[in-house]
Amino acid sequence: DVKVTQSSRYLVKRTGEKVFLECVQDMDHENMFWYRQDPGLGLRLIYFSYDVKMKEKGDIPEGYSVSREKKERFSLILESASTNQTSMYLCASTRGGGRAGELFFGEGSRLTVL
Amino acid sequence: GNSVTQMEGPVTLSEEAFLTINCTYTATGYPSLFWYVQYPGEGLQLLLKATKADDKGSNKGFEATYRKETTSFHLEKGSVQVSDSAVYFCALIGGSQGNLIFGKGTKLSVKP
Repeated sequence: DVKVTQSSRYLVKRTGEKVFLECVQDMDHENMFWYRQDPGLGLRLIYFSYDVKMKEKGDIPEGYSVSREKKERFSLILESASTNQTSMYLCASTRGGGRAGELFFGEGSRLTVL
Repeated sequence: GNSVTQMEGPVTLSEEAFLTINCTYTATGYPSLFWYVQYPGEGLQLLLKATKADDKGSNKGFEATYRKETTSFHLEKGSVQVSDSAVYFCALIGGSQGNLIFGKGTKLSVKP
């Protein structure tokens, strides 16, 4: 069964802490994405990557960075967490090409910043 | 830029009722359109898609037709079940790498 796995379902961090959210996919997909999901706002794209070591900013990259050292792993980093980054974070991957838009999502990581 | 507008929820229906969730889009050209579903406690999963005008996507009894005249992609189901209770997201392709632009989501609750 194909899978996108996010390392933590629930995290509680303090303001100013550095936070790592990890995502691993086992489908050999080229493209990976990080979205945040907030009530009333839907999903908003933070960053995406279309190849190892390649990254592109999405709609709301401020306060975030990403790392893709291996094809299967895409990490989201909050350098200094703030309370307005309390949210649900969703990782997704896709093969692209003719399957563009057919994203496979992880179960999400709910981050609370105190 | 490209955008998606969905009807606001929540939508509450009785079992076996007819469902329509409206979705309209603004886009350059004719991008592929999608419906995703998020069941409680889970990530999103693809429900159906349509890649060109007049295409009908269908899955699990749900249907949506790509209407370029009205720039719409409304989701319909003839008879909903309690197990259809979820949040539904309309989306379109935002770029060449397959990133999606999502609507805000519509929460559906189906009562027995």
